[in-house]
Amino acid sequence: EVQLVESGGGLVQPGGSLRLSCAASGFSISSNHMSWVRQAPGKGLEWVSVIYDAGNIYYGDSVKGRFTISRDISTNTLYLQMNSLRDEDTAVYYCARDQCINTCASRTGAFDYWGQGTLVTVSS
Amino acid sequence: EIVLTQSPGTLSLSPGQRATLSCRASQSVSSNFLTWYQQKPGQPPRLLIYIASNRATGIPDRFSGSGSDTDFTLTISRLEPEDFGVYYCQQYGSSPTFGGGTKVEIE
Repeated sequence: EVQLVESGGGLVQPGGSLRLSCAASGFSISSNHMSWVRQAPGKGLEWVSVIYDAGNIYYGDSVKGRFTISRDISTNTLYLQMNSLRDEDTAVYYCARDQCINTCASRTGAFDYWGQGTLVTVSS
Repeated sequence: EIVLTQSPGTLSLSPGQRATLSCRASQSVSSNFLTWYQQKPGQPPRLLIYIASNRATGIPDRFSGSGSDTDFTLTISRLEPEDFGVYYCQQYGSSPTFGGGTKVEIE
């Protein structure tokens, strides 16, 4: 069974740092693209970052230069290092698996599994 | 960046009625990589439809997706009580983006 479990959220002051973790089970993160998606309280969804199976990394414009995505294949864990945090970074952060089909011969552009999310609150 | 506009913002319907949700893209969606999700309060999004018209595993056939290029539709043929929530569309071009959501509420 595929499971994603986030941790590491909490209250942090503006300008501070936080590292989120996403423990994956039931599949290997090295064989899938993995993303972080966030949702501000009462708002919609915003894609944050992706790390491809091959290791390519991309970020949304709002976090570029401040956030870093990484992974530990030995522990099957995805990370998001967040620096220079701002009030507007306050959100629930989800890790999500990019869907692939046909034994991962094809991608679909969808996120098929999501964690329950971890809340990050940036406030003084 | 492709902007997705969902309409209406809120849909007030009764169980058994048909729901039609729209998602319009500011430019053509590559490979029809248009996805629909359902989200309920306190829960992560749930994948419903991928590549515009393919139902995800375990999704009832009352949910259907259609469209191409810049215009996409999610239809729920007969609303069940558990279908109420917020629905998001999403595209995966050079940078994934989500629509603002349509809330389907009980009339």
